[in-house]
Amino acid sequence: EDQVTQSPEALRLQEGESSSLNCSYTVSGLRGLFWYRQDPGKGPEFLFTLYSAGEEKEKERLKATLTKKESFLHITAPKPEDSATYLCAVQGLFSGGYNKLIFGAGTRLAVHP
Amino acid sequence: DAGVTQSPTHLIKTRGQHVTLRCSPISGHKSVSWYQQVLGQGPQFIFQYYEKEERGRGNFPDRFSARQFPNYSSELNVNALLLGDSALYLCASSFWDRSVVEQYFGPGTRLTVT
Repeated sequence: EDQVTQSPEALRLQEGESSSLNCSYTVSGLRGLFWYRQDPGKGPEFLFTLYSAGEEKEKERLKATLTKKESFLHITAPKPEDSATYLCAVQGLFSGGYNKLIFGAGTRLAVHP
Repeated sequence: DAGVTQSPTHLIKTRGQHVTLRCSPISGHKSVSWYQQVLGQGPQFIFQYYEKEERGRGNFPDRFSARQFPNYSSELNVNALLLGDSALYLCASSFWDRSVVEQYFGPGTRLTVT
């Protein structure tokens, strides 16, 4: 069964203190791994898609990397506006449709001034 | 361009009642998926529709049903509501479903069942 586990559940950082969020996955053939940002009471906002091990993508202070078993979301010099829940999701070969995403529970990030 | 829109924003229903949630995808997108997100958890897949046909179904009871209209908008229906159906219901749209494509989520409908 396809599964996604995110750690830590919650992370508190000081402004400027860089860190990484982890997403471990088990999937029968990875089609793609997605990172989303979700603010309280709102829908997830798309950040990145990674397709194969070794791939990296960057956007402002965020950098996502992918290995065969996990993905990392690196946050460099975070600002308070980066505070949100970060969700990781996978799409597998046998997930039951191209668009079915399996999500982790997310990491709640709080960045304090 | 407008993003994914959902209505209503909030809804309060009583156990046993029926509810209909609506979603309009991004212009040009033909695929709509529905997800349920319980507080503190990640979204869970309910249905996917493409060109008005059901293309995927998650592990939800038959009380949940959906359909897609010729203009690609979609409805999610839930019958015989239970307290456990209280959640944020999210709609996601994508251009098609023939490859790995980004899905864009709407703001969600917050359903409270009392």
